Parts: sequence; structure tokens; C-alpha cells
Amino acid sequence: QQQVKQSPQSLIVQKGGISIINCAYENTAFDYFPWYQQFPGKGPALLIAIRPDVSEKKEGRFTISFNKSAKQFSLHIMDSQPGDSATYFCAASISSSNTGKLIFGQGTTLQVKP
Amino acid sequence: KAGVTQTPRYLIKTRGQQVTLSCSPISGHRSVSWYQQTPGQGLQFLFEYFSETQRNKGNFPGRFSGRQFSNSRSEMNVSTLELGDSALYLCASSSGMSTEAFFGQGTRLTVV
Repeated sequence: QQQVKQSPQSLIVQKGGISIINCAYENTAFDYFPWYQQFPGKGPALLIAIRPDVSEKKEGRFTISFNKSAKQFSLHIMDSQPGDSATYFCAASISSSNTGKLIFGQGTTLQVKP
Repeated sequence: KAGVTQTPRYLIKTRGQQVTLSCSPISGHRSVSWYQQTPGQGLQFLFEYFSETQRNKGNFPGRFSGRQFSNSRSEMNVSTLELGDSALYLCASSSGMSTEAFFGQGTRLTVV
């Protein structure tokens, strides 16, 4: 119930293409879904986040799509660039529980080929 | 605004020893959470401190402990180190009232 399942494990995309990473969850109490980007040797950086009251959120080239009924959400990176090559993690938490605990997916390693 | 600062960045310890890691959150943030990152298990929640009190705890043995000081800085301690404790330990800072969490660069712990 506490798991967040992320796919694919790795992804190779050509420069200019669209990268899509998917996550699924079981616990319907989750109400905050962030995405993090991590470069080697660095900590995860908050990229974009969504709450279940909206179906889509866009920030620059990054878009989260959220499907509440399917309990799935995904990250779309438009016009992917070599600089986007990193590991991406989805996560979920219950904001009403008054705790900072994030449940993370297993991560997706993205390689954008020039 | 300064980000989340973790010290030291790298540590090598011998099995059986203990270690203390430090995390200074973003100024004004009162919540510090700790995570263990390994290739096999990914990012796993250790515990969270808010206003010097442990607010939540993950499924780790009692060898893992932490505390938070009045200035919100936090320390994490691991006693009787095992080889499997080798990992990147990350701390995340948040206001405590919002769910947005910002991570430090981590401390890479190697147990030999």
C-alpha cells in the first residue's frame, strides 16, 4: 500500500524527443506527488509537483499528467536535451499526516543522445 | 538563501564503529528528514524531526538514531556499523508546514 512503482528503469531518448516516465501508487491517501531530478554526486532536486485536484501541471519543458482514477501519474520532458540526462524519481506523500515522509519510486535513468 | 548543508561529504568507517552525520536545513525550515539511498533499495525514509521532536520513523533498526537541535540543525547517528550501511545518506529540509522538501548533497558513507 505504501509503494510507488516507477517505470521504465532506464530510458534512452534522442535530443529533441519526448521522455515519458510513469508512476503508479496504491494508497489513495497520497495527496502530494513530486518529481525529483538527481545528477551523479548530487542530492535530488525538486523538479515539479502536483496535487490530485488537477490533472496536469506544466513548468517549462516539464509536464506532470495525473490520473486519479487509475492512480497513476507521469512526467513528460518535451524537447529533451543532453543536459536532462539524469536519474528521475517520482514520490508520494500524505500532506495531511503532518509529516515530511516521502515514498519514492525506484528511479529512472534517462540518457538523452545528442 | 543558503541551501541544505550536509557534512561531511565523504566518510570511510570500519565495521563495528559508529558515525555521526550532520545536516543544516534551509534557514527558517523547522523540519529535517533523513533518507538512505542505495542502488538496490533506492531512497528509503529513515526519520523526520520537527521542532526537536521525532515526528515519524521508517523501518530501520535501532542502530539508526537522530536528533534535532533548537536551531533546527540535525544529526544522524549509526552505531555498530555494518557493511550494508554503506550508502548515500541524504537529508531533506522543509518548512514543516508544507510538503516541499529540498535535499542536501548527501554524505557518502563507506563501511569497510
